[in-house]
Amino acid sequence: AQTVTQSQPEMSVQEAETVTLSCTYDTSESDYYLFWYKQPPSRQMILVIRQEAYKQQNATENRFSVNFQKAAKSFSLKISDSQLGDAAMYFCAYRRGWSGGSNYKLTFGKGTLLTVNP
Amino acid sequence: DAGITQSPRHKVTETGTPVTLRCHQTENHRYMYWYRQDPGHGLRLIHYSYGVKDTDKGEVSDGYSVSRSKTEDFLLTLESATSSQTSVYFCAISEPQGRGNQETQYFGPGTRLLVL
Repeated sequence: AQTVTQSQPEMSVQEAETVTLSCTYDTSESDYYLFWYKQPPSRQMILVIRQEAYKQQNATENRFSVNFQKAAKSFSLKISDSQLGDAAMYFCAYRRGWSGGSNYKLTFGKGTLLTVNP
Repeated sequence: DAGITQSPRHKVTETGTPVTLRCHQTENHRYMYWYRQDPGHGLRLIHYSYGVKDTDKGEVSDGYSVSRSKTEDFLLTLESATSSQTSVYFCAISEPQGRGNQETQYFGPGTRLLVL
C-alpha cells in the first residue's frame, strides 16, 4: 500500500521569506500523481500544485514550486515570498496513475501546519 | 470553484441514531469520494463511487454505507452513529482520464459531525 509521510507537524516562516515543506512517499508504481493541498481555517481543501511522475520538470504555480525527486521518493513544496494568507495546514497526497480499474483515491500525509509571522 | 455542495454543514446527533450526509455536484464528474478528517490522521477514504450504482469500500468503511442513484448525488449513511464517527467529512469529485489529462480531485466544503 502507498504511504505518504510529512515529517514536519508544524513550520513557521517570516512574511516575505521562503519556506520548504517536506513530503516523502512509498510506492511500487511507476505512474502516479502527487499533489499539495492547502487547508486554511475555513477548512476548504484547495489544490496548490500537482506533479505527474512521468514529467521530470518540477511543477510551478506562481510562488509555489516543488522539488520532485523520483528516485528518492521525495516531493517537497517551496513557498516563496510568504504571505499571511499562506498560513494553513498543508497536505501532501498521492494518487496512482491511470491504468483502468476503479480506485483513484488520494492517499494523504498527516499534514504540516504552517504559521506565517508578520 | 467546482460545484460541490454538502449538506448538512454541521450536525449534532446522539449515539445509535442513523445519519445521512449528502454530497451534490453540478460538474457531471463520474467519480465521487467520501473522506473523513481526524486530527493526526489527515484525510482517509471511507467509500467511493465510479458511476451510478457503482461503489466500493475505502480504508475506513466499517460502520458506513453509501448510495449513488444519480450522477450528481452521493449519500453517506451512518447506520447507527458512534462517538468514534465524530469527525469532519469531505466529499470529493474527479474525472480520471488517461495520461495528458489533468485529473484532480475537487473537494466540497465539509460537514462537521458530532456524535454525543
